[in-house]
Amino acid sequence: DQQVKQNSPSLSVQEGRISILNCDYTNSMFDYFLWYKKYPAEGPTFLISISSIKDKNEDGRFTVFLNKSAKHLSLHIVPSQPGDSAVYFCAGNAGGTSYGKLTFGQGTILTVHP
Amino acid sequence: EPEVTQTPSHQVTQMGQEVILRCVPISNHLYFYWYRQILGQKVEFLVSFYNNEISEKSEIFDDQFSVERPDGSNFTLKIRSTKLEDSAMYFCATGTGGYEQYFGPGTRLTVT
Repeated sequence: DQQVKQNSPSLSVQEGRISILNCDYTNSMFDYFLWYKKYPAEGPTFLISISSIKDKNEDGRFTVFLNKSAKHLSLHIVPSQPGDSAVYFCAGNAGGTSYGKLTFGQGTILTVHP
Repeated sequence: EPEVTQTPSHQVTQMGQEVILRCVPISNHLYFYWYRQILGQKVEFLVSFYNNEISEKSEIFDDQFSVERPDGSNFTLKIRSTKLEDSAMYFCATGTGGYEQYFGPGTRLTVT
């Protein structure tokens, strides 16, 4: 099941710089996308989301961009901080009869160096 | 900030035994979910539950699995006869009916 793909297993960034995490999807039925952050030994923490009718959503240091024609979304973190070091998952939700089901990507390990 | 809690944090069981994983949802949430993550793999949807019945289940969620909300507060996942391949982190998630779901810290299940 490769409906959501995060092709970069890891990303290393200097503190203060921008982190860009990418996600591609194949399921055209997804109408909502979410980013989660996960620290070791904890559950995924909801970070930010975007509806498929929008192309950008911003919340503080976090911005998600959606390119529906390319079936691509990205999460920008600026400025990056060492506390942002975690695994980041993108997830799609198809709504309708699959309203509750989130389909996750494999995750990208972000390391922010001081 | 309210959070989802799960018990136990780690469960070790022998193959063939029954296990019950417990979750306490955020108090005003009415939608409940179970996911699992096998080591090194993706987080996978198992089942969603609303109004005391299953809304949707994945093909992983076979007859060995069941869910219930026995007392109006806990939400449980039961695996009747565990197999080695059931070893994974099991995450409970809850929501208000919107797209966002809020996850608990997980239960690590080890089947030996």
